[in-house]
Amino acid sequence: DAKTTQPNSMESNEEEPVHLPCNHSTISGTDYIHWYRQLPSQGPEYVIHGLTSNVNNRMASLAIAEDRKSSTLILHRATLRDAAVYYCILRSNTNAGKSTFGDGTTLTVKP
Amino acid sequence: NAGVTQTPKFRVLKTGQSMTLLCAQDMNHEYMYWYRQDPGMGLRLIHYSVGEGTTAKGEVPDGYNVSRLKKQNFLLGLESAAPSQTSVYFCASSYGAMDRGRGYTFGSGTRLTVV
Repeated sequence: DAKTTQPNSMESNEEEPVHLPCNHSTISGTDYIHWYRQLPSQGPEYVIHGLTSNVNNRMASLAIAEDRKSSTLILHRATLRDAAVYYCILRSNTNAGKSTFGDGTTLTVKP
Repeated sequence: NAGVTQTPKFRVLKTGQSMTLLCAQDMNHEYMYWYRQDPGMGLRLIHYSVGEGTTAKGEVPDGYNVSRLKKQNFLLGLESAAPSQTSVYFCASSYGAMDRGRGYTFGSGTRLTVV
């Protein structure tokens, strides 16, 4: 499975935008880029996904590099409730859709 | 609209004991997965299933067995628990690998302690 690389931790101030980067240099053409977040003592929660084009939903935006070797999750206005571990994973439409979860990025939001 | 339900939520086992963790989903998902998460770390895939009656090994399958007799249920068994299996176990499900938008849906986890 293709691997992703994320910074261990990031900090943000409340109500400011947050850009969480992810590198996936070995991505293949069939891999979707997914982002999940995990709040303390909870299971991971889907945030957003994309294949080639940038994507927006009510939770966040996903910016995908033109060569697809990196992506950025954008939280437009961080709130204290956004403090979580954010995972960037690749999901293939082959290989039973298995994904490798790294250690993610721990986002701290300061009031 | 329960999603993915895991039982039990907490369990303490003695070394050598056995137990079964149950995962149930009501979304008619084809694929189901069992992950473990050790403190401060990401999720590691134990076993997975691409349909009723099928199972396959993930990254860390040793010491675990699984069964998927019904499409909605995926069972994870520990035949002889060891302290190294102390972890939080997450079940996830999804539509087929041809993504349909929401990716994985995870349960809330089972916290297992082996003493």
